[in-house]
Amino acid sequence: DAGVIQSPRHEVTEMGQEVTLRCKPISGHNSLFWYRQTMMRGLELLIYFNNNVPIDDSGMPEDRFSAKMPNASFSTLKIQPSEPRDSAVYFCASSLGGGFTGELFFGEGSRLTVL
Amino acid sequence: AQSVTQPDIHITVSEGASLELRCNYSYGATPYLFWYVQSPGQGLQLLLKYFSGDTLVQGIKGFEAEFKRSQSSFNLRKPSVHWSDAAEYFCAVGASTGGFKTIFGAGTRLFVKA
Repeated sequence: DAGVIQSPRHEVTEMGQEVTLRCKPISGHNSLFWYRQTMMRGLELLIYFNNNVPIDDSGMPEDRFSAKMPNASFSTLKIQPSEPRDSAVYFCASSLGGGFTGELFFGEGSRLTVL
Repeated sequence: AQSVTQPDIHITVSEGASLELRCNYSYGATPYLFWYVQSPGQGLQLLLKYFSGDTLVQGIKGFEAEFKRSQSSFNLRKPSVHWSDAAEYFCAVGASTGGFKTIFGAGTRLFVKA
């Protein structure tokens, strides 16, 4: 069975450009999470969805960041405009059930570099 | 607020030696606790989890962890480390506040020397 699929794996862009990161969760999973990983701040939860509805976006850094989940099999994280401090690895993870099983299945991440 | 502390940024052990990675959590109720491992360039993978019951939990790859409520700890152990265990290890706590989310510690990088 396919795992969580993220694209692109690597993105290099210039400051001010729009960046869109994509995620396909594991089929049947109904929770989706976006995390950001940096050396300085570790793993930060940006936003998570349950049944396609955003539940908690308190970790979204600022209005430049937005996330959508139009259906159960696709989510995007958009940064507009991008800044050098947004450089990080962005992970998408999915999970099964509102039953709090809690196990997160991670994609391989999207490494973003903003010049 | 929920939080996780991993006091060791990195640890070096010899191959074949035993390993213990420390984790302390802060959470008002009975916690859901996890250990994940991250190999370079990869996402995180679940090693084991604790929800309730037996406080000694067995996981994959020969790892185990013990929940100690009195110490607010959930330390990860392995009796004999293999070179392939070199990776970064994350302790995490699950919080069921307004939904369910997992909060990760800063991670401990494990180096294995021959």
